[in-house]
Amino acid sequence: GAGVSQSPSNKVTEKGKDVELRCDPISGHTALYWYRQSLGQGLEFLIYFQGNSAPDKSGLPSDRFSAERTGGSVSTLTIQRTQQEDSAVYLCASSPVVGTQYFGPGTRLTVL
Amino acid sequence: AQTVTQSQPEMSVQEAETVTLSCTYDTSESNYYLFWYKQPPSRQMILVIRQEAYKQQNATENRFSVNFQKAAKSFSLKISDSQLGDTAMYFCAFMKGGGSEKLVFGKGTKLTVNP
Repeated sequence: GAGVSQSPSNKVTEKGKDVELRCDPISGHTALYWYRQSLGQGLEFLIYFQGNSAPDKSGLPSDRFSAERTGGSVSTLTIQRTQQEDSAVYLCASSPVVGTQYFGPGTRLTVL
Repeated sequence: AQTVTQSQPEMSVQEAETVTLSCTYDTSESNYYLFWYKQPPSRQMILVIRQEAYKQQNATENRFSVNFQKAAKSFSLKISDSQLGDTAMYFCAFMKGGGSEKLVFGKGTKLTVNP
């Protein structure tokens, strides 16, 4: 079956603009995660969704970052007023209720 | 909070030889999972192997095996008969048990397999 997909693959934006990153999880997976991978900070957890429960937003670095998951499937990560330090690869993963997380190919965000 | 440490930033091995990547972790949890993920230049994170903490037997997947030492909080990855396609970043990761939880990653080890 299809794996986790993310779009766009690459995104270049100007400082101060808003961006939206999309994640399509594996069908039937109830949990969805966002991580950020940057040279200086390694792999950092951002947010996760589990079914209809309130999301765990404990990893979001500032209130410029938000995410939603519609219909228990597709998720969008939004970064408002982007800054150069937001440049990173944003990875999405999904998993069954309890289990291994499977990752998408990531979105490379470059803020000029 | 859990932490994961990979003490080898870079390693290299000759094709067909065996290499071991180190990982240690710190936790007060008794129920947890440990993972090794591989990230080639394509950027895709690929699961290599998974270990449940309650299992005493070390996990194996073809040429990949782990040495899980629970008391020492050590979780090393052994790659046998190394292949050129094994060249990648390898990340060790920890996840609390009991439900969906975030992964806590180490900084990674860059492995190069030389012909």
